[in-house]
Amino acid sequence: AQKITQTQPGMFVQEKEAVTLDCTYDTSDPSYGLFWYKQPSSGEMIFLIYQGSYDQQNATEGRYSLNFQKARKSANLVISASQLGDSAMYFCAMREGGDAGGTSYGKLTFGQGTILTVHP
Amino acid sequence: EAQVTQNPRYLITVTGKKLTVTCSQNMNHEYMSWYRQDPGLGLRQIYYSMNVEVTDKGDVPEGYKVSRKEKRNFPLILESPSPNQTSLYFCASSLGGFPYEQYFGPGTRLTVT
Repeated sequence: AQKITQTQPGMFVQEKEAVTLDCTYDTSDPSYGLFWYKQPSSGEMIFLIYQGSYDQQNATEGRYSLNFQKARKSANLVISASQLGDSAMYFCAMREGGDAGGTSYGKLTFGQGTILTVHP
Repeated sequence: EAQVTQNPRYLITVTGKKLTVTCSQNMNHEYMSWYRQDPGLGLRQIYYSMNVEVTDKGDVPEGYKVSRKEKRNFPLILESPSPNQTSLYFCASSLGGFPYEQYFGPGTRLTVT
């Protein structure tokens, strides 16, 4: 079963506007973390923001915020005031607590990614 | 500067010719991992290591080997590469498992002809 689902293969946004990238997840582990990474055309993976399953407040990092709805198992990334440099692939990923030494220990499970294009 | 390095960054090789992709981190991280990225599939874990001499399979380990003789290094070995191993490979490291962030290397683009 897909653990991380990103349903938007591509998104377009006008410069200076806000955009939401969707991410839903599936886990039975009560302890987990959700991560968003940005991958520009140069290929590197850039960490953007983290939300823990027990965090009471939605995470924010500068222009990035995470709309965490635990009951719906969604962790959408909101980028405010989009810039041309935000054009990239964005990945949602999850790391489960699990039992140390298990096959899932420490693994980041990724979604398929969303390509964001910012228009001037 | 805290970083994960990978070498080579680009590699074109032929079927069956053994190769090694090196990975090194300078953050004293215990956990290291290899992922491959393929279009439409996101990143998938190949192998991981929780510490020196402790390694285990991820989701797609077939055709790959790893070793962890030193804490900082985690090489990925392809004993007999095949065209279906053409991919973008990432090494990553973190202090431990959950909830720590993983730091990624710059990636190695491998083409097997």
